[in-house]
Amino acid sequence: DTGVSQDPRHKITKRGQNVTFRCDPISEHNRLYWYRQTLGQGPEFLTYFQNEAQLEKSRLLSDRFSAERPKGSFSTLEIQRTEQGDSAMYLCASTPNPPGYTFGSGTRLTVV
Amino acid sequence: DQQVKQNSPSLSVQEGRISILNCDYTNSMFDYFLWYKKYPAEGPTFLISISSIKDKNEDGRFTVFLNKSAKHLSLHIVPSQPGDSAVYFCAAADSSYKLIFGSGTRLLVRP
Repeated sequence: DTGVSQDPRHKITKRGQNVTFRCDPISEHNRLYWYRQTLGQGPEFLTYFQNEAQLEKSRLLSDRFSAERPKGSFSTLEIQRTEQGDSAMYLCASTPNPPGYTFGSGTRLTVV
Repeated sequence: DQQVKQNSPSLSVQEGRISILNCDYTNSMFDYFLWYKKYPAEGPTFLISISSIKDKNEDGRFTVFLNKSAKHLSLHIVPSQPGDSAVYFCAAADSSYKLIFGSGTRLLVRP
């Protein structure tokens, strides 16, 4: 399977803990995007990378959030000091040439 | 401000009939428009896209129409099948190709 892979699929954490999610894009895709989806809403853009460079960040991405894409391959999204409002589905997508995005299955975060 | 709007949260159609899902947008600078289908606990699956320079794109049972003057696009599915039941998201791509999604329309195709 050469799709976009996200790990873990589900994460339950206590408020105040740090969490990290991983996304492995399709190998030849140089653009990688992170989105967040809450119940009843469409996905909202968080940030994107072209190769290893983080080119844009949404204002939704507070200073508790950080994303990296070392060597332009996999990416990680870390949330520090989680809050209940961080509970959502975190989606990763990649593309070689827009607009042909492929999404992963997402990581569902529950903060209790 | 919501740049992409799907005003119908749900739609129910009979199997074999046409499903029409609608989407409105506010930013005339969007380059591409896309439709995604989503099942629970899965990521969105790409269905069909249309460039802002076109007014129609067809792929099998799926056709997307773009009316730039009205800032409106629609997805037609014909004939509708029970397996089409899912949430459908309209999305617009801006100059950096990030997607701005609508809030989705839940389609139910009744056998």
